[in-house]
Amino acid sequence: DARVTQTPRHKVTEMGQEVTMRCQPILGHNTVFWYRQTMMQGLELLAYFRNRAPLDDSGMPKDRFSAEMPDATLATLKIQPSEPRDSAVYFCASGSKTVDTQYFGPGTRLTVL
Amino acid sequence: AQSVTQLDSQVPVFEEAPVELRCNYSSSVSVYLFWYVQYPNQGLQLLLKYLSGSTLVKGINGFEAEFNKSQTSFHLRKPSVHISDTAEYFCAVSKTSYDKVIFGPGTSLSVIP
Repeated sequence: DARVTQTPRHKVTEMGQEVTMRCQPILGHNTVFWYRQTMMQGLELLAYFRNRAPLDDSGMPKDRFSAEMPDATLATLKIQPSEPRDSAVYFCASGSKTVDTQYFGPGTRLTVL
Repeated sequence: AQSVTQLDSQVPVFEEAPVELRCNYSSSVSVYLFWYVQYPNQGLQLLLKYLSGSTLVKGINGFEAEFNKSQTSFHLRKPSVHISDTAEYFCAVSKTSYDKVIFGPGTSLSVIP
């Protein structure tokens, strides 16, 4: 049963520290999404890639967030420096034209103190 | 631009009673429609999807939804709920099955014994 994996599952850090979240999409999926879930904003898209190229990162604060796909099996989301308002659950999802929905990972729960 | 409205933020219902969770969407183009469920401290699980064809869509766990184009609605129903259905439910839209997903704010379903 193919799944999207995310690491770490939980991260507690202090304000100002760098945070890196990783996502392994389902093999063969060429589109990867990063979403963020907070109580105040709900679920919102941060960025997404197709064939490793960024298609839309308008939801991402550019000054501190960066998203990359070093290769087809790994997507990363970095926050530097982190702030308490970044505390949220970050979901990765993957999909492709040959499947009829996105598949979500279990999420990374980030707490910035 | 697309948007999703879920009119009820919280829905309490007694066990074995029927339930309807309402969803309305706005879009200038044809969309794909989804319902996701999120159990406490869990990721997102797809309940059902409407891509095309029959307007009545059946999903997992006994849920179904009906697409109404004239009313731009996609309400979720279950004839008899169980305690285990207690969760957050998200309605969502997308231009294609592999495009970014726009989520509604969510409806918290609480099943009362």
